[in-house]
Amino acid sequence: DQQVKQNSPSLSVQEGRISILNCDYTNSMFDYFLWYKKYPAEGPTFLISISSIKDKNEDGRFTVFLNKSAKHLSLHIVPSQPGDSAVYFCAASASGGTSYGKLTFGQGTILTVHP
Amino acid sequence: GAGVSQSPSNKVTEKGKDVELRCDPISGHTALYWYRQSLGQGLEFLIYFQGNSAPDKSGLPSDRFSAERTGGSVSTLTIQRTQQEDSAVYLCASSFTGTSKLEREYFGAGTRLSVL
Repeated sequence: DQQVKQNSPSLSVQEGRISILNCDYTNSMFDYFLWYKKYPAEGPTFLISISSIKDKNEDGRFTVFLNKSAKHLSLHIVPSQPGDSAVYFCAASASGGTSYGKLTFGQGTILTVHP
Repeated sequence: GAGVSQSPSNKVTEKGKDVELRCDPISGHTALYWYRQSLGQGLEFLIYFQGNSAPDKSGLPSDRFSAERTGGSVSTLTIQRTQQEDSAVYLCASSFTGTSKLEREYFGAGTRLSVL
């Protein structure tokens, strides 16, 4: 079962506009959410995260919004730049247990920002 | 090293052969994770090592998969009697202690395994 879902396999945006990437989850035990960015032939790199005690976290051009009641989070990139073109993965983790860093990932969304 | 290093970067093997994939974590990181990404899928957790604790093997898909971490540093993921469905990119990540969900995981570039 896919506990973290990114239903849009791809997104195309014009440079300067806003990119909105969406992610849904089903496991109510998830309490920490992350976004990773991946360029071809490289490993994923951490972008931004949010704890379930918050509903928004902002870092420069990147903002993550969390709607716990809807089990939905989104990543906003504004303004979008061509260098933002990459695969974006949503990930989640749950408290408890001993594998603190065990992440559950979505399938990824390919973002293309056109000049 | 500066980052997580994985080798080989690409591996092509025949069905039924055994393969070994290697991961060198960031120096000083005590937690190490293996994930894999099959075509069209997200990253799938395989196994987690933290210090001297028993590894969390809950994500290993079958008993053909095993991993070890010698000396608390380098890790080897072994797949025995490879099958075509094992074809995927195998990613290794490490973090400083693995005892906080707030720690960032740093990923290697992965090993692309193709089973013919």
